Amino acid sequence: EDKVVQSPLSLVVHEGDTVTLNCSYEVTNFRSLLWYKQEKKAPTFLFMLTSSGIEKKSGRLSSILDKKELFSILNITATQTGDSAIYLCAVFHQTGANNLFFGTGTRLTVIP
Amino acid sequence: DVKVTQSSRYLVKRTGEKVFLECVQDMDHENMFWYRQDPGLGLRLIYFSYDVKMKEKGDIPEGYSVSREKKERFSLILESASTNQTSMYLCASSLMSTGELFFGEGSRLTVL
Repeated sequence: EDKVVQSPLSLVVHEGDTVTLNCSYEVTNFRSLLWYKQEKKAPTFLFMLTSSGIEKKSGRLSSILDKKELFSILNITATQTGDSAIYLCAVFHQTGANNLFFGTGTRLTVIP
Repeated sequence: DVKVTQSSRYLVKRTGEKVFLECVQDMDHENMFWYRQDPGLGLRLIYFSYDVKMKEKGDIPEGYSVSREKKERFSLILESASTNQTSMYLCASSLMSTGELFFGEGSRLTVL
């Protein structure tokens, strides 16, 4: 059965800390892995990863994919209170009609 | 700029009432999706559509139906709302070739 597992489920850190969020997956015909950030409203796109070992970076956020070990990490350095959100991992695969699986998300809280 | 618009941000309905949730996208995307999001369960796919008048069941279609008469519009219908359908409903769209979803701002439905 296809699945996407995120850990930890929730995390509380202080401003300035560095955090690492994990996403492991088991899907057939993997195409890409996506990270989203969800604050109070709709999820917003962060990264799409298709190749192993190539880091994607946007400001203080970065992400990398390991297709051999079937996981991805999302790093946030020098966290700020505005980073508080739910971070969602999703895997896009090319099988059947329902081809995007989401994890349950990691709730990050950054306290001043 | 990419836009997915959901017609209602907040709704309160009574058990047994019919509920329509509408979603419109202006990006000419083939795919449109309806998810519900509940604490601890993440995003779960209800239905999706990959073309006009085409629809596919997601993971939890029971108690829901959908309609896609025009490419830009995808409606979610609860024929007879029940209390266990109290949730946040998120609409999304994407191109056929990628997994990147663009989300609407969500509709929070409370069924009393």
